Amino acid sequence: GQQVMQIPQYQHVQEGEDFTTYCNSSTTLSNIQWYKQRPGGHPVFLIQLVKSGEVKKQKRLTFQFGEAKKNSSLHITATQTTDVGTYFCAGTHIINDYKLSFGAGTTVTVRA
Amino acid sequence: GAVVSQHPSRVICKSGTSVKIECRSLDFQATTMFWYRQFPKQSLMLMATSNEGSKATYEQGVEKDKFLINHASLTLSTLTVTSAHPEDSSFYICSAREAQKPQHFGDGTRLSIL
Repeated sequence: GQQVMQIPQYQHVQEGEDFTTYCNSSTTLSNIQWYKQRPGGHPVFLIQLVKSGEVKKQKRLTFQFGEAKKNSSLHITATQTTDVGTYFCAGTHIINDYKLSFGAGTTVTVRA
Repeated sequence: GAVVSQHPSRVICKSGTSVKIECRSLDFQATTMFWYRQFPKQSLMLMATSNEGSKATYEQGVEKDKFLINHASLTLSTLTVTSAHPEDSSFYICSAREAQKPQHFGDGTRLSIL
């Protein structure tokens, strides 16, 4: 079935540094969504990207959707301790555009 | 913003018990609801998709007789884990969406079968 691959699985970041997590799909996506899950919590919707090449920013978070709509990235600048958690990308494929295929997630820890 | 309520948040029960989990969309009509299962430090695995008034669509490998899903209204879906066993222990999360809009997740239910 359709899958979304996400790397890295773990990201240990020094406070103040930047990092990026990447998602790739073998097939074209209708859209891609990003979620953040804090330890012990549930996924919280961050953003949805729909257009080819789309870039959206939320404060220190920058989300990109590739031109071919097969990949996406989340870049966080000046990491803070509040950024701790697991970031999931989730794509909907054209064939099954109502179902989300989740990436494995990138678990972020921050050292002060 | 969109709110999805899931209840109970935690269940501990004996092997052989059936457990019902409710998922409600509080401020919107959910045309579709989804049930996921998440093992520790793993991603969300879709179990089934339910549309109001119709039978749920189960993902491959998910036993429909084991995990009963009812979507009786546009704001309520239930998942019943029948005759639960220790291997059913997991974190179960529901989500709900209006047509063409992102999914919003409930708080999840941590199920522990002794």
